[in-house]
Amino acid sequence: NAGVTQTPKFQVLKTGQSMTLQCAQDMNHEYMSWYRQDPGMGLRLIHYSVGAGITDQGEVPNGYNVSRSTTEDFPLRLLSAAPSQTSVYFCASSSSRPPADTQYFGPGTRLTVL
Amino acid sequence: QKEVEQDPGPLSVPEGAIVSLNCTYSNSAFQYFMWYRQYSRKGPELLMYTYSSGNKEDGRFTAQVDKSSKYISLFIRDSQPSDSATYLCAMIRTTGGSYIPTFGRGTSLIVHP
Repeated sequence: NAGVTQTPKFQVLKTGQSMTLQCAQDMNHEYMSWYRQDPGMGLRLIHYSVGAGITDQGEVPNGYNVSRSTTEDFPLRLLSAAPSQTSVYFCASSSSRPPADTQYFGPGTRLTVL
Repeated sequence: QKEVEQDPGPLSVPEGAIVSLNCTYSNSAFQYFMWYRQYSRKGPELLMYTYSSGNKEDGRFTAQVDKSSKYISLFIRDSQPSDSATYLCAMIRTTGGSYIPTFGRGTSLIVHP
């Protein structure tokens, strides 16, 4: 099992550009989520999905879109990047809603918006 | 005031020491309490979680929750250099069906040989 994979590992964008952060898992997990981690702020939940076709907003959803067309994939889209979105982004998956089942985190994507 | 407060450290201890990591919180609605370990430039991994009050032990790790004081702790016995990492506490309140976790900002732990 590859676990949770994220691409790209690093990305530099200019303000206003759009991009998609990819997340995939091969554990047949229903629950997937996206977090951002900023210095001094801890992890914050952006969006989550309890299964294919179902997504919901987390704590900081503004500026981000998600969709879940398959169980395996959960991409995060930045429609118009802003410097405030400079952060490390983590995708996570689990069999069901945490903490009842262990969440497995990907290695992260380090995004810089200039 | 943040809902979850965690001293960022760093906390430096010699190998073999007992480590105490702590978080305080302000929202009494939190029911689940978790501890994650995060190595540098890696994603977090769940160490353990507790529901409501009490203690939970797993090997060298013990988690404690004191809801009356709104205080949670993670103890690491016989600490090893491989325990050097950032430790994140997180909490979930289940009111309204929402399971959005609130994380502390993490405590950096250094265990030196």
